[in-house]
Amino acid sequence: DVKVTQSSRYLVKRTGEKVFLECVQDMDHENMFWYRQDPGLGLRLIYFSYDVKMKEKGDIPEGYSVSREKKERFSLILESASTNQTSMYLCASTLTRNIRWGRKWTGHVYSNQPQHFGDGTRLSIL
Amino acid sequence: ELKVEQNPLFLSMQEGKNYTIYCNYSTTSDRLYWYRQDPGKSLESLFVLLSNGAVKQEGRLMASLDTKARLSTLHITAAVHDLSATYFCAARPATSGSRLTFGEGTQLTVNP
Repeated sequence: DVKVTQSSRYLVKRTGEKVFLECVQDMDHENMFWYRQDPGLGLRLIYFSYDVKMKEKGDIPEGYSVSREKKERFSLILESASTNQTSMYLCASTLTRNIRWGRKWTGHVYSNQPQHFGDGTRLSIL
Repeated sequence: ELKVEQNPLFLSMQEGKNYTIYCNYSTTSDRLYWYRQDPGKSLESLFVLLSNGAVKQEGRLMASLDTKARLSTLHITAAVHDLSATYFCAARPATSGSRLTFGEGTQLTVNP
């Protein structure tokens, strides 16, 4: 079974703090994702990564950054936490085959596997 | 930009009844996923639908996909309390790689 582990289930931080959320997967998946989940809004993609040291902005990247130094680990960073970043944060990973043409990703993948999610981190910013 | 809408957002039903959750998406998608989330828990994959006319069934849940109508349905047959959860659909744009766009979720409550 795929295991996606998020470092904390609950986290309370103060406005202006730099916050790190960690996610580790044990299945050698290339792709990893960070979402936030808010009532009535579903899941919104913050950032994702196709491979080590590669990252792509999702739909709501403002105020966030990410780091992928190792294949199994994907970190979400709140540079200066604000109260509107209070939310549930979900990490996911999936196994895909990315096609690279030279140094560019073509964006075409051929895997149908679903994304596997961690248990989530409920983050409160005071 | 792909948008995914679910209907209804809240559903309260009695045990033993049938009902359908609808998932509409706005642009071409080549993959449609259904997930379940229990309160305080993570998302669990239910179905992956890959082509027009695809139908998948697991227990009392059946999912189908009509790519021409840009519609997927999740049909619940003879609901039981254990099916109470939030159900999400997610679509993958045809050219987006592995990223998904999720619907708002349907919160299902099955009453005895």
